[in-house]
Amino acid sequence: NAGVTQTPKFRVLKTGQSMTLLCAQDMNHEYMYWYRQDPGMGLRLIHYSVGEGTTAKGEVPDGYNVSRLKKQNFLLGLESAAPSQTSVYFCASSYREGEKLFFGSGTQLSVL
Amino acid sequence: SQQGEEDPQALSIQEGENATMNCSYKTSINNLQWYRQNSGRGLVHLILIRSNEREKHSGRLRVTLDTSKKSSSLLITASRAADTASYFCATDEGSNYKLTFGKGTLLTVNP
Repeated sequence: NAGVTQTPKFRVLKTGQSMTLLCAQDMNHEYMYWYRQDPGMGLRLIHYSVGEGTTAKGEVPDGYNVSRLKKQNFLLGLESAAPSQTSVYFCASSYREGEKLFFGSGTQLSVL
Repeated sequence: SQQGEEDPQALSIQEGENATMNCSYKTSINNLQWYRQNSGRGLVHLILIRSNEREKHSGRLRVTLDTSKKSSSLLITASRAADTASYFCATDEGSNYKLTFGKGTLLTVNP
């Protein structure tokens, strides 16, 4: 089992460019999450999904879109990147609500 | 908005000593979880304690939960240099699906 896999691990974008971060889990988990981690801010929830075909907004959803077309994949999109989106992005999954999260290793994104 | 807040923000101890970190939260919870993050890595789940539990152990870890004070503590006994990491508490918000993380405690264990 690979667990939760995030790609890419590093990315540099110019302001206004778009990109998609991919998260894949092989544990048959229903719930998937995207967090961002900034210095001094802890982790903040961007979007989450409670099952295939569902998505919902978290604490800081503006500027991001997500899709969960397949149960094992959760995609995070930035349509027009801004410097404020420079951060480390973590994907996580859980079997059901209230249970422990399994995290990916993160994507370090810099927007210039 | 942050639900859990860890205290202290940073803690430096010698190998072999015990380390205690605290977490306070604001609203009622179903459970509280603790995670560890090594530098440059993802978070790793350590322990989950439910609202009807008062104490839980896992190896050298002991977690307590006081729902009347809305607080939890994580004790690491006989610390090792490999315990150097950031530690986060995370709480759900009642029946919500979302886990909300605190800002973390940076623990440094000096050999």
